[in-house]
Amino acid sequence: QSALTQPPSASGSPGQSVAISCTGSSSDVGAYNYVSWYQQHPGKAPQLLIYEVTKRPSGVPDRFSGSKSGNTASLTVSGLQAEDEADYYCSSYAGSNNLIFGGGTKLTVL
Amino acid sequence: QEQLVESGGGVVQPGRSLRLSCAASGLTFSSYGMHWVRQAPGKGLEWVTFIWYDGSNQYYADSVKGRFTVSRDNSKNTLYLQMNSLRVEDTAVYFCARDMGGGRWVDLWGQGTLVTVSS
Repeated sequence: QSALTQPPSASGSPGQSVAISCTGSSSDVGAYNYVSWYQQHPGKAPQLLIYEVTKRPSGVPDRFSGSKSGNTASLTVSGLQAEDEADYYCSSYAGSNNLIFGGGTKLTVL
Repeated sequence: QEQLVESGGGVVQPGRSLRLSCAASGLTFSSYGMHWVRQAPGKGLEWVTFIWYDGSNQYYADSVKGRFTVSRDNSKNTLYLQMNSLRVEDTAVYFCARDMGGGRWVDLWGQGTLVTVSS
């Protein structure tokens, strides 16, 4: 199975909002409401930001929000802060107990 | 606190084997399914395998099917990944991660262990 498609990079100034897209197919993103998003700082393990398309684990700021339309999911980061500069990965359930990840998006805070 | 710690990585020649371990602490390990996810240097995340909470079922990415075997010892709170017939393209940091959605998403990650396959 091919990886989900994410833009390689995104950027925004402090205080602005930025959206990162994640495009899959009718077999994964479009088929299930099981899209999750992860933040990874250099040399660190990924951390869960969003699960089941829109839900935030406790401790994740509400500046992070998720959505989905058809085969494309999106992560929006509002009120950008310097510490938001990181790599972001989407993931989707793909059936048969398989997960699929996106290629990652490097977010730069200008 | 809840923690996953991987070990067993290193440098290995193509065609050889390696076994990774993931020790869990601060959580009821036997209640959760577990995944292995890898990340090649400078690349994105790639799902490798998932095992049910009781070890009764395992699922693999096509890229490792027939070469890798996931297992667990709930009495030792430890997850394993036996990697045989290693290839250069298996070079990556290997993370273990806790499943929270019946194979649908993960919430807790270890810090990873680096496997380098090189002659």
